[in-house]
Amino acid sequence: DAGVTQSPTHLIKTRGQQVTLRCSPKSGHDTVSWYQQALGQGPQFIFQYYEEEERQRGNFPDRFSGHQFPNYSSELNVNALLLGDSALYLCASVLGSGYEQYFGPGTRLTVT
Amino acid sequence: AQSVTQPDIHITVSEGASLELRCNYSYGATPYLFWYVQSPGQGLQLLLKYFSGDTLVQGIKGFEAEFKRSQSSFNLRKPSVHWSDAAEYFCAVGAGDYGGSQGNLIFGKGTKLSVKP
Repeated sequence: DAGVTQSPTHLIKTRGQQVTLRCSPKSGHDTVSWYQQALGQGPQFIFQYYEEEERQRGNFPDRFSGHQFPNYSSELNVNALLLGDSALYLCASVLGSGYEQYFGPGTRLTVT
Repeated sequence: AQSVTQPDIHITVSEGASLELRCNYSYGATPYLFWYVQSPGQGLQLLLKYFSGDTLVQGIKGFEAEFKRSQSSFNLRKPSVHWSDAAEYFCAVGAGDYGGSQGNLIFGKGTKLSVKP
């Protein structure tokens, strides 16, 4: 049973560029959440996707956007990258209204 | 506002010693509480959860946690620590109820556990 997978593992971008991160949920899960974990901090909720729509959103600017595909996989897009966007980006999946979120290994984004 | 506080940034214990990691939360309704562990360069693994019922919950790897409503606490414990337990531990509260699901988690800043041989 495949868990949550994310790609790429690491990414280096320059300020002002755009980036796309990808997530495949755990088999059978239909809801995907994205979190940003800055160095030395706990993860912070960005948004959650269900049935291909953004269901909830945290306190992140519009530069952060996402998408969910019919197969439940998801993308996180960040435009106009800032140095402060450097972080580990975690994807988590859950089945519908379940309570236990399963996390992927994350994508380490470095903005220079 | 909902929040989670983990007062200890870094704890060092000897292998075989007992462990208690502290977590305090602020949440208006009945909280859904979680402990996750993160090894270096890894994602988060769920150790245990509390939704309702028995206030002492058992998790994986020999961990347990006790929910104390009067103290707004959910401390994580282990009677005997192993070297492989060295990692970062995060307490989280489920928030943003959406149709019964906990749409998002609010995390503390984490406690880094080091284990001395």
